[in-house]
Amino acid sequence: QQQVKQSPQSLIVQKGGISIINCAYENTAFDYFPWYQQFPGKGPALLIAIRPDVSEKKEGRFTISFNKSAKQFSLHIMDSQPGDSATYFCAASKTGTASKLTFGTGTRLQVTL
Amino acid sequence: KAGVTQTPRYLIKTRGQQVTLSCSPISGHRSVSWYQQTPGQGLQFLFEYFSETQRNKGNFPGRFSGRQFSNSRSEMNVSTLELGDSALYLCASSLGLGQETQYFGPGTRLLVL
Repeated sequence: QQQVKQSPQSLIVQKGGISIINCAYENTAFDYFPWYQQFPGKGPALLIAIRPDVSEKKEGRFTISFNKSAKQFSLHIMDSQPGDSATYFCAASKTGTASKLTFGTGTRLQVTL
Repeated sequence: KAGVTQTPRYLIKTRGQQVTLSCSPISGHRSVSWYQQTPGQGLQFLFEYFSETQRNKGNFPGRFSGRQFSNSRSEMNVSTLELGDSALYLCASSLGLGQETQYFGPGTRLLVL
């Protein structure tokens, strides 16, 4: 049972454009929502994370938008750069089992010149 | 500070064999989690260890086991290997139990022939 659905599977964005990746979750007990970035041959690296008590969190060019009623959250990458080309995973976990992350299926982002 | 290290990085085994993978967490981190990453199933949580005890477990058969040593280093073992066990096995460490921020290692790529 996939508890976190992620879309799109792949995304091509021009340099300077906005990349948007969406995730939806089913388990209302989830209360921690991180995004991870993974480059080929590397492990995932934490990019940004949000809790349900806020609707938006911004760190540099990366913004998470969170809609608790819709059980959806999204990652926006502003001014996308070729160096952002990677696979992005959303994830979710709940208090008490915070390290037991349930991951989305991943989005392969390619930023073209 | 050195990151999470995993050994070996690559491994080839045949069906029926067993394998042991090793993970050294970031210095000072006491919680270690293991994940399996495959193209078909994505990233799936295997188990978490803290203070030498398994604290959380994912939905994997008993062939997958692990342990943690007093210095927080962890090993995972897969017995009676199957072709479907071919995957990237990722280790992640965090400061303590319930700490949300996890730092992933580069993974061990296991190929079962």
